[in-house]
Amino acid sequence: LAKTTQPISMDSYEGQEVNITCSHNNIATNDYITWYQQFPSQGPRFIIQGYKTKVTNEVASLFIPADRKSSTLSLPRVSLSDTAVYYCLVVGGKLIFGQGTELSVKP
Amino acid sequence: AAGVIQSPRHLIKEKRETATLKCYPIPRHDTVYWYQQGPGQDPQFLISFYEKMQSDKGSIPDRFSAQQFSDYHSELNMSSLELGDSALYFCASSSMLRDRGLNEQFFGPGTRLTVL
Repeated sequence: LAKTTQPISMDSYEGQEVNITCSHNNIATNDYITWYQQFPSQGPRFIIQGYKTKVTNEVASLFIPADRKSSTLSLPRVSLSDTAVYYCLVVGGKLIFGQGTELSVKP
Repeated sequence: AAGVIQSPRHLIKEKRETATLKCYPIPRHDTVYWYQQGPGQDPQFLISFYEKMQSDKGSIPDRFSAQQFSDYHSELNMSSLELGDSALYFCASSSMLRDRGLNEQFFGPGTRLTVL
């Protein structure tokens, strides 16, 4: 199973764009890259998923280079409510959670 | 929209007791996953079921068992409880769209199990 590596924590301020990069050097051909968000004592929530290039939805963008060995989650204009743990996962069925990135958004 | 339902939301047990956690997936979802999240830890995959058959197995102790019933709800049975079993237990469900590669899992609110 591909292992992911992402920063343990990040700080930001309201209104800024936040980019969280994840490394997954051993990603398999059939794997998709998925990001989940988790608030304390709540279940993780799906944010976005992609295979290659760029994917955008109403809450985030996901950039994946051609070699797919990394990906970057981009959160535009974060607010205090975006303070959470963000997990990067390489998905082939079950979700294997590594250490997520604890994002703290300050006023 | 209907979400994943888990019951009970909170459960307190003594060591060596048994516990049963229930999960009701989103209607028409055919796959159920169980995760365990200890205090300050990341969620750990335990087991999953697809169309009532076990589809994958993770770090689930032998003291635990699970099954998915004909109505697609699932139960996680935990016996000989230990202090270390205290955790949040999440159930997630999904609808297998294998061709598109999208496997968004919808998580329930979790059951907080405390073993004393």
